[in-house]
Amino acid sequence: AQSVSQHNHHVILSEAASLELGCNYSYGGTVNLFWYVQYPGQHLQLLLKYFSGDPLVKGIKGFEAEFIKSKFSFNLRKPSVQWSDTAEYFCAVNAGAGKSTFGDGTTLTVKP
Amino acid sequence: GAVVSQHPSWVICKSGTSVKIECRSLDFQATTMFWYRQFPKQSLMLMATSNEGSKATYEQGVEKDKFLINHASLTLSTLTVTSAHPEDSSFYICSARGGGNTAEAFFGQGTRLTVV
Repeated sequence: AQSVSQHNHHVILSEAASLELGCNYSYGGTVNLFWYVQYPGQHLQLLLKYFSGDPLVKGIKGFEAEFIKSKFSFNLRKPSVQWSDTAEYFCAVNAGAGKSTFGDGTTLTVKP
Repeated sequence: GAVVSQHPSWVICKSGTSVKIECRSLDFQATTMFWYRQFPKQSLMLMATSNEGSKATYEQGVEKDKFLINHASLTLSTLTVTSAHPEDSSFYICSARGGGNTAEAFFGQGTRLTVV
């Protein structure tokens, strides 16, 4: 079975600081990786996804993530966060059938 | 990306009544739909997987008689919470996947259920 671990439960940053959220997964086969964002009171939105190809994936709103197969990681990064990035971030993995396993989520609070 | 619509967005019901939540794929045919539950400040937990025209597959610990899932067409799946109790109050989210090799599933906006 696949599992996803997000190491940071709550991250607090000041505006313009750089962000990196960790995500590790366990699954022996080919996986597809996702990062979702959930703003307060809103539904899940896809930030970015990795299926194959270039392991450095760029998503919306200046986010990017790097797939490192040897480390089973898919960390999310943003060079300079804004107050509007305050949200819950979820890493998700699926093994090709569309059924996603989510990490526990990381709450990001950006102080203005 | 493809659009998945859930209805209603929120619902309040009395304890003991049943509530039906709809999940529709608006611009593609969804061979598989997934139902998740999200408790406050927690992650999404998969409840069940439904394939069009067949019985849903429930995850361990999910009561199939409590959470009835029907996937009667390629664009509609429904989740019915039967005899709802306050502990069923939660955020329910569906996702839908089309056919082919794509592994991506598209999420609905979720339904906030409050049982009073």
